[in-house]
Amino acid sequence: EIVLTQSPGTLSLSPGERATLSCRASQSVSSSYLAWYQQKPGQAPRLLIYGASSRATGIPDRFSGSGSGTDFTLTISRLEPEDFAVYYCQQYGSLWTFGQGTKVEIK
Amino acid sequence: EVQLVESGGGLVQPGRSLRLSCAASGFTFDDYAMHWVRQAPGKGLEWVSGISWNSGSIGYADSVKGRFTISRDNAKNSLYLQMNSLRAEDTALYYCAKELAAAFDYWGQGTLVTVSS
Repeated sequence: EIVLTQSPGTLSLSPGERATLSCRASQSVSSSYLAWYQQKPGQAPRLLIYGASSRATGIPDRFSGSGSGTDFTLTISRLEPEDFAVYYCQQYGSLWTFGQGTKVEIK
Repeated sequence: EVQLVESGGGLVQPGRSLRLSCAASGFTFDDYAMHWVRQAPGKGLEWVSGISWNSGSIGYADSVKGRFTISRDNAKNSLYLQMNSLRAEDTALYYCAKELAAAFDYWGQGTLVTVSS
């Protein structure tokens, strides 16, 4: 089973700042099978990025994904008030696994 | 508009069974693989099980293998999860999700399963 480790656990930033979230895999992941989700309290997760760098339908271009192999990054170029949430990475190898999440909170 | 509506959750005693359902609409159900993902209270996301469009490929997380069974009825646009030998650690909000390119592009609002005596 591929284990995904997200860092940092919590990111404290102000609106307008840049957020950089990391997802590291215990073994190489196909870039085609790395995704990022946003989850707000009381809501279901929302797909942001799939295939490591492709934005899902309706996702603003301030969200971008990059990386390959074992190291992947989600970048939010300028935080909007609605972006403060928990973010998860997810991979598909032989099975699906999620990272433990990064909380982006208002500083 | 894609809609996924889960049902069947509730309070159940350890060792008992429960069957979850997910009613899908707004897309061609039998074109897509479907999954169950759960989230324990205050915790992260855990993939539980997935099934291909024609039920030909099925997978389970190690934590539920041998106890849970996923199935689908394409004629009814429905996904199911039969959960047997339930444990306290199965307590969670269970989401139904549609797969797109190995990611989950639509999610239901979830159904809560509580395993407690």
